[in-house]
Amino acid sequence: NAGVTQTPKFRILKIGQSMTLQCTQDMNHNYMYWYRQDPGMGLKLIYYSVGAGITDKGEVPNGYNVSRSTTEDFPLRLELAAPSQTSVYFCASRLAGEGIYEQYFGPGTRLTVT
Amino acid sequence: AQTVTQSQPEMSVQEAETVTLSCTYDTSESDYYLFWYKQPPSRQMILVIRQEAYKQQNATENRFSVNFQKAAKSFSLKISDSQLGDAAMYFCAFSTGANSKLTFGKGITLSVRP
Repeated sequence: NAGVTQTPKFRILKIGQSMTLQCTQDMNHNYMYWYRQDPGMGLKLIYYSVGAGITDKGEVPNGYNVSRSTTEDFPLRLELAAPSQTSVYFCASRLAGEGIYEQYFGPGTRLTVT
Repeated sequence: AQTVTQSQPEMSVQEAETVTLSCTYDTSESDYYLFWYKQPPSRQMILVIRQEAYKQQNATENRFSVNFQKAAKSFSLKISDSQLGDAAMYFCAFSTGANSKLTFGKGITLSVRP
């Protein structure tokens, strides 16, 4: 299994541009998450999904959109990029249901907006 | 709202010695889960250890163990026989509810002196 994969690994955007961060998992996990990590800080939840067609906002959703058309994929869309969105973005997935299940993380995407 | 506090931004330990990383959290929930994640310079998030709040017994994974004090809302990580590969950022995290969203602390940077 590849686990959780993210593309691209790095990206530089100009202010006002848009882009989609891709996330794919091959573990048949229903739950998927997007986090951002600002320098010297912990991860903060942007959006999450508990299954195909179901998404919900996390702690810091402004400026982002998501969709979940398949179990495997959970892309994160940035519209009108701003310098405040400079961060490292992590996608994660886990088994469904309440419990001590581990979240598996992708390798992250480092995004710089200038 | 749940919060996780890691008050020590940095710690240092001599190789082969023992170090304890502190974490406190705040929640009104009675059933929840606690995690320690390691983030080496590669940026990959790696689960170190996890603990269910309803379990009295402290979790142990090889050289890693926790001191879980539910009444004090404290969840510290002890690393025994520290190795150079333990040098990383360590995050304490908390989850509750069916959606199991993770709330992270700010992290602590651990350096290991040879």
